[in-house]
Amino acid sequence: GAVVSQHPSRVICKSGTSVKIECRSLDFQATTMFWYRQFPKKSLMLMATSNEGSKATYEQGVEKDKFLINHASLTLSTLTVTSAHPEDSSFYICSARERRDPDYEQYFGPGTRLTVT
Amino acid sequence: AQSVTQLDSQVPVFEEAPVELRCNYSSSVSVYLFWYVQYPNQGLQLLLKYLSGSTLVKGINGFEAEFNKSQTSFHLRKPSVHISDTAEYFCAVKGPVRGKLIFGQGTTLQVKP
Repeated sequence: GAVVSQHPSRVICKSGTSVKIECRSLDFQATTMFWYRQFPKKSLMLMATSNEGSKATYEQGVEKDKFLINHASLTLSTLTVTSAHPEDSSFYICSARERRDPDYEQYFGPGTRLTVT
Repeated sequence: AQSVTQLDSQVPVFEEAPVELRCNYSSSVSVYLFWYVQYPNQGLQLLLKYLSGSTLVKGINGFEAEFNKSQTSFHLRKPSVHISDTAEYFCAVKGPVRGKLIFGQGTTLQVKP
């Protein structure tokens, strides 16, 4: 149980275009989802936290208008990178926290490799 | 503010040897501590976690970690590593706000034959 999927696993897009990444909790309801960015050989950087039905809370330094996050249902959150540029190329990972989970465990998706050319 | 420091960026070790990956944290409140493993181009998999109770925590794949409050450490150990343990390992602490996980910088475990 507690599986989180991401789609697509890899995406290449041209500079100036927008890309949407989906994060789904397959067998549980996720009241909270997290979006991380990971640079090569670096740790994970939390970008934002999204609660179902509410606006996402962004971490300091993350551009809200560039990284649009939507958490419209208890099983789906999306991250849209708008007007992507080469510096946005990275590995994006989502995680989900199960409703009523007292242990506060986050289940991670497999990640999405974004390359902007 | 809470923070996590992984003291070694890379740990090379021979197969079947024991290994310890070090993690220190700073926090003024009670903490939950986690170790995750990441294989190349994959997401994170939970190895083990400390929430409360026994300070020695056993996880998957033969790993264990010990919570030491006085030394603010949560070192990860395995008595005998395999080639397949080669991966990136992250220590994390759960912060007090919205369940955010704060990650260390990661340690690359390189198991050599």
